[in-house]
Amino acid sequence: GDSVTQMEGPVTLSEEAFLTINCTYTATGYPSLFWYVQYPGEGLQLLLKATKADDKGSNKGFEATYRKETTSFHLEKGSVQVSDSAVYFCAPLQRGGADGLTFGKGTHLIIQP
Amino acid sequence: KAGVTQTPRYLIKTRGQQVTLSCSPISGHRSVSWYQQTPGQGLQFLFEYFSETQRNKGNFPGRFSGRQFSNSRSEMNVSTLELGDSALYLCASSWGQADYGYTFGSGTRLTVV
Repeated sequence: GDSVTQMEGPVTLSEEAFLTINCTYTATGYPSLFWYVQYPGEGLQLLLKATKADDKGSNKGFEATYRKETTSFHLEKGSVQVSDSAVYFCAPLQRGGADGLTFGKGTHLIIQP
Repeated sequence: KAGVTQTPRYLIKTRGQQVTLSCSPISGHRSVSWYQQTPGQGLQFLFEYFSETQRNKGNFPGRFSGRQFSNSRSEMNVSTLELGDSALYLCASSWGQADYGYTFGSGTRLTVV
């Protein structure tokens, strides 16, 4: 089945720092790719997505580009804020969603003022 | 616009009992998926329902079952509870085409004692 590799952290950064959270995946075919964010005590929120190679998903200052050659979907943000502190999940989804979303372990991000 | 509603938020059950969790999707969403989140295993796909039919199923024992009603509301049932079933159970809804992404509820925290 599909699998996802991402750093678990915690990743600690200062406010206004540049953020990169790496995500690589193994999957058959060309899945859609998603980043979800989970704030403490809450469910997951869709942050951004990309459905085909070279697509760039973006939302709230976050970006990620679907790299088919390297099977990666790294999350970036130019200037993080304290409110970005959360757990971030990378998740591929096969066409038809046969196995549901395959989540990585999640990256715990802590932003210090 | 109401989000995905899961009830109850918290639940404590005794080993051997059974439990039913409820999920009301976003209005108009016809697909409902269930996930189990634990510290050890992370997020794992349980099953997906679409128009009252189970469309996809993860790798969980038969003690885990679900159903979907004509109004798209879904229930998940776990019989003969085990200590290892303690987890956050998340429900997610979608229009039906997986590429649109899923909207998650806040989850039901189940503790088995």
